[in-house]
Amino acid sequence: NAGVTQTPKFRILKIGQSMTLQCTQDMNHNYMYWYRQDPGMGLKLIYYSVGAGITDKGEVPNGYNVSRSTTEDFPLRLELAAPSQTSVYFCASSTSGGNEQFFGPGTRLTVL
Amino acid sequence: GEDVEQSLFLSVREGDSSVINCTYTDSSSTYLYWYKQEPGAGLQLLTYIFSNMDMKQDQRLTVLLNKKDKHLSLRIADTQTGDSAIYFCAERRASGGSYIPTFGRGTSLIVHP
Repeated sequence: NAGVTQTPKFRILKIGQSMTLQCTQDMNHNYMYWYRQDPGMGLKLIYYSVGAGITDKGEVPNGYNVSRSTTEDFPLRLELAAPSQTSVYFCASSTSGGNEQFFGPGTRLTVL
Repeated sequence: GEDVEQSLFLSVREGDSSVINCTYTDSSSTYLYWYKQEPGAGLQLLTYIFSNMDMKQDQRLTVLLNKKDKHLSLRIADTQTGDSAIYFCAERRASGGSYIPTFGRGTSLIVHP
C-alpha cells in the first residue's frame, strides 16, 4: 500500500491564483482530513469528510473548498490565494473518527 | 474550542529521560494519542492510551494519564538523537456526531550529545 499520497510537494503561487492540492489514500478509509501547519501553531483542521459525498468544516475553513466524490480522493481547492495561506498542508485518513490517523508527506505552499 | 496545551520546547542530553507533558480539555475523551513528526515529514502515531487506563508502557515509552487533572505525559527513556522530533498530543473529541482528533501545538524535543 502506498498509504496517503499528496501532490505537489512544493508550490509557489501568486496572490489571487487558484490551485488544487491532491490527496489520495489506498487503505479504503472512510475518514479523510485536511490540516494546515504553521510554525509553532500545531495542526489546524481545515475540512474533513466521513465518507464519499460528505464533507464538513473544521476550525479554519475560510478560503478553502473540498469535495469527496470517491472514497480514495479528497482534493483541497484554494480559489483566490492569499499570503495568509502560506503553510504546510497535510492530508490524513483514518478508518473512523478518532482512530489512528495516517498522514501524507505534506505540501509546502508559498503565496507571494 | 479550548486548546490542548503543550510546552513548545524540551532539550535533553543523550541518554537522559525526556518527559513531555500535555493537558487536554474533554473529560469524556476515550482515546488520547501521541504522534511524532520528524523533519520534513507527516505525523506518525507513536502510542495511544484508553481513558480507562492510568499507564501504558511500550519499550522505551511510558504514557501516564491523570484523568482528574486531564493531564497526559510521555516519557522516553534513554533518549537518543534519533528521538529529536516534534511530539504532538491529541485527544479524540466529539464534533457534530463524529469524533475528530484535536491536536496540541507540539513539543520540539532536542537531544544533544
